[in-house]
Amino acid sequence: DTEVTQTPKHLVMGMTNKKSLKCEQHMGHRAMYWYKQKAKKPPELMFVYSYEKLSINESVPSRFSPECPNSSLLNLHLHALQPEDSALYLCASSPDRTDTEAFFGQGTRLTVV
Amino acid sequence: GQNIDQPTEMTATEGAIVQINCTYQTSGFNGLFWYQQHAGEAPTFLSYNVLDGLEEKGRFSSFLSRSKGYSYLLLKELQMKDSASYLCAVRDTGGSYIPTFGRGTSLIVHP
Repeated sequence: DTEVTQTPKHLVMGMTNKKSLKCEQHMGHRAMYWYKQKAKKPPELMFVYSYEKLSINESVPSRFSPECPNSSLLNLHLHALQPEDSALYLCASSPDRTDTEAFFGQGTRLTVV
Repeated sequence: GQNIDQPTEMTATEGAIVQINCTYQTSGFNGLFWYQQHAGEAPTFLSYNVLDGLEEKGRFSSFLSRSKGYSYLLLKELQMKDSASYLCAVRDTGGSYIPTFGRGTSLIVHP
């Protein structure tokens, strides 16, 4: 199994809603990442978890709250988002934070209305 | 941080060869990656270079010159399915080990 699975694939939410994005991998990887990608732009790093501990937070607003319940799961909790937060949210994993190859999930297309 | 530059868009003909260039500036180089991303899909890993020279993998090759801050991705025998965005990403020695992505080059392959 070399997949990173993200759910849901699409999400539409209002600015007062609370929702969560989920990411799962069963490759035994100990580093997991959240990226945000706007149309025709490169992925931008949001958070890095290494061995279930948050190791990097790229100054992301608190309306995005990551959680790593165990080594296979990574969540991104969303609350009071703005329309400009609409984007493709990508999860990735790698064996270790120092490894050269990251495996990306298919992403969640988020629209904030 | 890094300053990464690659062309915005390129076009090529099916069966041809195309070279996508990437230049970068970084205070401490620790590897360069190439990813392919089809529209609406996740990036997929293509190659990693940390030493100078050419790495070949099937129809795709990647070259690195650290002294020039330069890399290219070479795609041979182009196929229509190669139409995608190609992202150059650079990792520095700052300790995070996380590469920073360039804006990507949109490659259009036509018959």
